[in-house]
Amino acid sequence: EPEVTQTPSHQVTQMGQEVILRCVPISNHLYFYWYRQILGQKVEFLVSFYNNEISEKSEIFDDQFSVERPDGSNFTLKIRSTKLEDSAMYFCASSWVADTQYFGPGTRLTVL
Amino acid sequence: LAKTTQPISMDSYEGQEVNITCSHNNIATNDYITWYQQFPSQGPRFIIQGYKTKVTNEVASLFIPADRKSSTLSLPRVSLSDTAVYYCLVGEHSSASKIIFGSGTRLSIRP
Repeated sequence: EPEVTQTPSHQVTQMGQEVILRCVPISNHLYFYWYRQILGQKVEFLVSFYNNEISEKSEIFDDQFSVERPDGSNFTLKIRSTKLEDSAMYFCASSWVADTQYFGPGTRLTVL
Repeated sequence: LAKTTQPISMDSYEGQEVNITCSHNNIATNDYITWYQQFPSQGPRFIIQGYKTKVTNEVASLFIPADRKSSTLSLPRVSLSDTAVYYCLVGEHSSASKIIFGSGTRLSIRP
């Protein structure tokens, strides 16, 4: 069964550093998403992406965040200058047109 | 998006049937009901989706009464591995938009 994959599984970085979280969505999916979950809190929407552009973003997704689909398979989330409060699990998801979203296993980001 | 209400937590024992009920009084005509499951430190996983009456798959059943103002996720003969958070979501099937997760129902299964 096809699945969304994410790398790395765990990323540790120093405050102020840039990080890139990578996702490989399910191959025939057209919509891509990033969510995050701070430990003990709800899963929060960050951004959705379709047709090579952002279709929706939340208040969390400020200028420090960006997304990119650099090739036909990868979907990345970049945080330019990480803050302590960016520590969270980051989940990528994808969907076929307008359908169920399938989530990846997540990347645990720890900002020191 | 229709607001949903579900119990914060539930406990059960291995081998039992577990029913988690979700209220969605303001569900719209075009809305579907979807349930996700999340294990600790993992991404949410789609379980089941339905519009009305009953839907069954290899994991669970979803019961939706005629007025669609509530739904019940039924997990038959649970095991310890069913311990997870279960989210009830309501939204248009045709809308590839963000999912707004609530707090879900934390299900704990005991031996």
